[in-house]
Amino acid sequence: NAGVTQTPKFRVLKTGQSMTLLCAQDMNHEYMYWYRQDPGMGLRLIHYSVGEGTTAKGEVPDGYNVSRLKKQNFLLGLESAAPSQTSVYFCASRPGTGAAGELFFGEGSRLTVL
Amino acid sequence: AQTVTQSQPEMSVQEAETVTLSCTYDTSESNYYLFWYKQPPSRQMILVIRQEAYKQQNATENRFSVNFQKAAKSFSLKISDSQLGDTAMYFCAFMKPYYGQNFVFGPGTRLSVLP
Repeated sequence: NAGVTQTPKFRVLKTGQSMTLLCAQDMNHEYMYWYRQDPGMGLRLIHYSVGEGTTAKGEVPDGYNVSRLKKQNFLLGLESAAPSQTSVYFCASRPGTGAAGELFFGEGSRLTVL
Repeated sequence: AQTVTQSQPEMSVQEAETVTLSCTYDTSESNYYLFWYKQPPSRQMILVIRQEAYKQQNATENRFSVNFQKAAKSFSLKISDSQLGDTAMYFCAFMKPYYGQNFVFGPGTRLSVLP
């Protein structure tokens, strides 16, 4: 069972570079999320999607863009990386409205911006 | 907006002992869900236990149980017979069931189980 898979797991960028994090889920979940985890701040929502072709901003969306062209994939892009974006990024998914189930998480991607 | 507070940044417990992690939240909603997630050193987020606000009975999963006090907006996690494998960050999370159903996480409590 693959569940939620994130690539890459680790990445080092220089300030101003761009990159894309890929999240893939094989559970046919409607909802997908991107969080960032920073010490002492828990997980903060960057962007989310409630279905193929839809995206919405979360708590900390600035400097990030997302796309969900296929139901199983949710991409997080950094157009011009900044040191403040050094963090661990988690993708998560869950079934749609009406389901009180858990979030299923990927293993996280550690990004360092120099 | 909902907020979740975990007032204990770090805790430790001896193996086989019992420990309680605190969580409080702020909401004006009457229907919602509360969760405890565990993040071991592997970084993987794992669901520990879930509580539905309209259920008065406290949830239990093996050695893990909660004390849900809706009026006080408190949701503590009790770990009985602590094991070395319980060493992890523990996050309390709140979810209001609406379109999008976003989760709000607390800052976490780092628990160390000592041999």
